[in-house]
Amino acid sequence: GENVEQHPSTLSVQEGDSAVIKCTYSDSASNYFPWYKQELGKGPQLIIDIRSNVGEKKDQRIAVTLNKTAKHFSLHITETQPEDSAVYFCAASLNKYIFGTGTRLKVLA
Amino acid sequence: DVKVTQSSRYLVKRTGEKVFLECVQDMDHENMFWYRQDPGLGLRLIYFSYDVKMKEKGDIPEGYSVSREKKERFSLILESASTNQTSMYLCASSQTSGSYTDTQYFGPGTRLTVL
Repeated sequence: GENVEQHPSTLSVQEGDSAVIKCTYSDSASNYFPWYKQELGKGPQLIIDIRSNVGEKKDQRIAVTLNKTAKHFSLHITETQPEDSAVYFCAASLNKYIFGTGTRLKVLA
Repeated sequence: DVKVTQSSRYLVKRTGEKVFLECVQDMDHENMFWYRQDPGLGLRLIYFSYDVKMKEKGDIPEGYSVSREKKERFSLILESASTNQTSMYLCASSQTSGSYTDTQYFGPGTRLTVL
């Protein structure tokens, strides 16, 4: 069935370094790829998204890239800060969301 | 801003009890969703609804039912709670427009413990 693989499951970086989280999806018809950030005790919050007609999107320190041929998309966070520490989820969607299993990002001060 | 609220942040119930989880959204969205979130498994879709009184099974509907009597409210019902239903439950809503999937907005979640 449809699935989304997300790596790594945990990631520790020094403050100021970059962090990259990668997802691979199985359904080539997927056309929407959101990224969510979930802080402790809270629901997931959308931080950036990309649609299948775009290869890259950037919003300040956050960027997402999409390679439709490889069925692969990635989240890039530059100049990481302690407040970036959270669990990040990717999803691929055609008619419904298929979520990755999450990446716990720790930014070390 | 879209606001999705859930009736309880924490809930403790006994095995066999009937449990109601309520979700309300204030943006007139057509679509509403219930997920459960478990460590290492991500978010899994239980049920969703595209309109009032309409419901569709998600990937893990067993042991659950839903009700959508008003557009803004979507309820998840555990008919007879079991310990394997201990989890974080997340409600989401989205608009319907065009051919592309629309963004889902999540509530804060309800952490349910079944003893």
